[in-house]
Amino acid sequence: TQLLEQSPQFLSIQEGENLTVYCNSSSVFSSLQWYRQEPGEGPVLLVTVVTGGEVKKLKRLTFQFGDARKDSSLHITAAQPGDTGLYLCAGARMNRDDKIIFGKGTRLHILP
Amino acid sequence: DAGITQSPRHKVTETGTPVTLRCHQTENHRYMYWYRQDPGHGLRLIHYSYGVKDTDKGEVSDGYSVSRSKTEDFLLTLESATSSQTSVYFCAISLNGVDEQFFGPGTRLTVL
Repeated sequence: TQLLEQSPQFLSIQEGENLTVYCNSSSVFSSLQWYRQEPGEGPVLLVTVVTGGEVKKLKRLTFQFGDARKDSSLHITAAQPGDTGLYLCAGARMNRDDKIIFGKGTRLHILP
Repeated sequence: DAGITQSPRHKVTETGTPVTLRCHQTENHRYMYWYRQDPGHGLRLIHYSYGVKDTDKGEVSDGYSVSRSKTEDFLLTLESATSSQTSVYFCAISLNGVDEQFFGPGTRLTVL
């Protein structure tokens, strides 16, 4: 059972378009993290959201944590080729204080 | 950048041989993790450590063992490598277990 479901698995769009990727679960999380991974490298943290309904912005990236703390979304405005990569969400489950769990990721490809 | 190194970065070995991967950190973080990353499966936790000589199993621990004799080093051993253990292995560190994880550059292991 995959505790964190990410959708879509793959997305290929033209430069300049907007997109949203999702991270969903039936479990409640005390926090959710989003990472980006480029080929040949380890994942790098983009943002952590901790409050239900929280919205965080990182330049053209907007992250939202669901009100019930079971889901999150990442919206990219005017996608650039440099946004290409694997986007992973990861969550710390309530009352589980020793490790986080990862979704399988969304592989994003921005065409120039 | 977090001070995490992995060695070796690439290794090709034969079925049945023992293999040890090393993760070294200079950040003095308490938690250290070993993941494997495979297409279609995402990042899967193998073992993790919450202190010197304190380790626990992850979701895919069969065929792997770990040791942590010093804060800075976390070793992953495949006692008798199998082809199903061909993968990219990532080490990660975390300050408190559910905080940001910093990843190493990965080790690409091929078992023939």
